[in-house]
Amino acid sequence: GAGVSQTPSNKVTEKGKYVELRCDPISGHTALYWYRQSLGQGPEFLIYFQGTGAADDSGLPNDRFFAVRPEGSVSTLKIQRTERGDSAVYLCASSRTGPDTQYFGPGTRLTVL
Amino acid sequence: QKEVEQNSGPLSVPEGAIASLNCTYSDRGSQSFFWYRQYSGKSPELIMSIYSNGDKEDGRFTAQLNKASQYVSLLIRDSQPSDSATYLCAVNAGRRALTFGSGTRLQVQP
Repeated sequence: GAGVSQTPSNKVTEKGKYVELRCDPISGHTALYWYRQSLGQGPEFLIYFQGTGAADDSGLPNDRFFAVRPEGSVSTLKIQRTERGDSAVYLCASSRTGPDTQYFGPGTRLTVL
Repeated sequence: QKEVEQNSGPLSVPEGAIASLNCTYSDRGSQSFFWYRQYSGKSPELIMSIYSNGDKEDGRFTAQLNKASQYVSLLIRDSQPSDSATYLCAVNAGRRALTFGSGTRLQVQP
């Protein structure tokens, strides 16, 4: 079946703007994760959803970051008042149930000018 | 001390040789261990998972786990140029989310 999909693949925005990044998990996967990866580093955990609820948001760096998953499938990561330091690749992963094996989407490369 | 540590490399091996990639972790409660391969500009791709002490083999790949030493390794036999990539070690300490190392860059020389 189809893997995890993410849109857009690339997003360029100006400092201070608002952005939304979308993730569509593998069908039937109840667990969804957001990670952020900077150059030369491994992915860094942001938030984990089990179903519709955020089961663990301890990785969100500050209150400018927020994520939702209203129907337990597609998730949107929202970043307010973007800063240049937010520039990174944002990865989404899903698993059948937590903490099962996670499969990653292609990522969204965010560039804040 | 980082939670998951890997040598950044690059690790350079000739084609056909065995590549050995190592990873140590700090949380003794860690339960699940994963190796992901990441090509430049691409997202991580799962290669192996291992949950209990010992070896687990899958084709040319063998994962080794030693919980007493808090050590995970990945062996790649008969290395090919197409194996050139960054290999990420990831650990699940029962927190659901994975904690990743920074990755080891492997270069297989033709």
